[in-house]
Amino acid sequence: DQQVKQNSPSLSVQEGRISILNCDYTNSMFDYFLWYKKYPAEGPTFLISISSIKDKNEDGRFTVFLNKSAKHLSLHIVPSQPGDSAVYFCAASDHQLIWGAGTKLIIKP
Amino acid sequence: DTEVTQTPKHLVMGMTNKKSLKCEQHMGHRAMYWYKQKAKKPPELMFVYSYEKLSINESVPSRFSPECPNSSLLNLHLHALQPEDSALYLCASSDSQRPTQYFGPGTRLTVL
Repeated sequence: DQQVKQNSPSLSVQEGRISILNCDYTNSMFDYFLWYKKYPAEGPTFLISISSIKDKNEDGRFTVFLNKSAKHLSLHIVPSQPGDSAVYFCAASDHQLIWGAGTKLIIKP
Repeated sequence: DTEVTQTPKHLVMGMTNKKSLKCEQHMGHRAMYWYKQKAKKPPELMFVYSYEKLSINESVPSRFSPECPNSSLLNLHLHALQPEDSALYLCASSDSQRPTQYFGPGTRLTVL
């Protein structure tokens, strides 16, 4: 039973536009959420996180929004750049990290 | 500095070989992790060390043997692996007070 779901396996966005990656979770006890970016054959790179006591966290081009009532979070990247093309994983903290399946983001020139 | 280093970057081994993967961090983190990642899948937790003691073993076969010589180092000893063990092996570390884990670049392991 997947506790963290990323329902879009892939997403294609025009360079310069906004990329929105979505993540849903089922366990209301999760208190911290993270986004990681991963290039092929490399380790995941931590991008941004959010505590469950907040509804928004921003870091440069990256913003994470948390909607606790809907058990939904999203990562906004604006403007999207070619180097953003990668697989993005959402993870929730429950003593350990519970991972979503990932969304492959493709930025088109 | 959020760097975790791993060696070797690539490893090819036969099913009868014994080899070791190494991981190092100098962030003062007291939790260290081994993950296995197959293509197009999220990382799969194998082991967790907390304050140099093994705290979680996710039912990993005994052909994988972790070791934490000190708070900065983590090893994964490999023996009699199977071809299906071929994967990217990732090391991570975290501050014991925070959930954010920082990953190394991984070791690409191929078992022939």
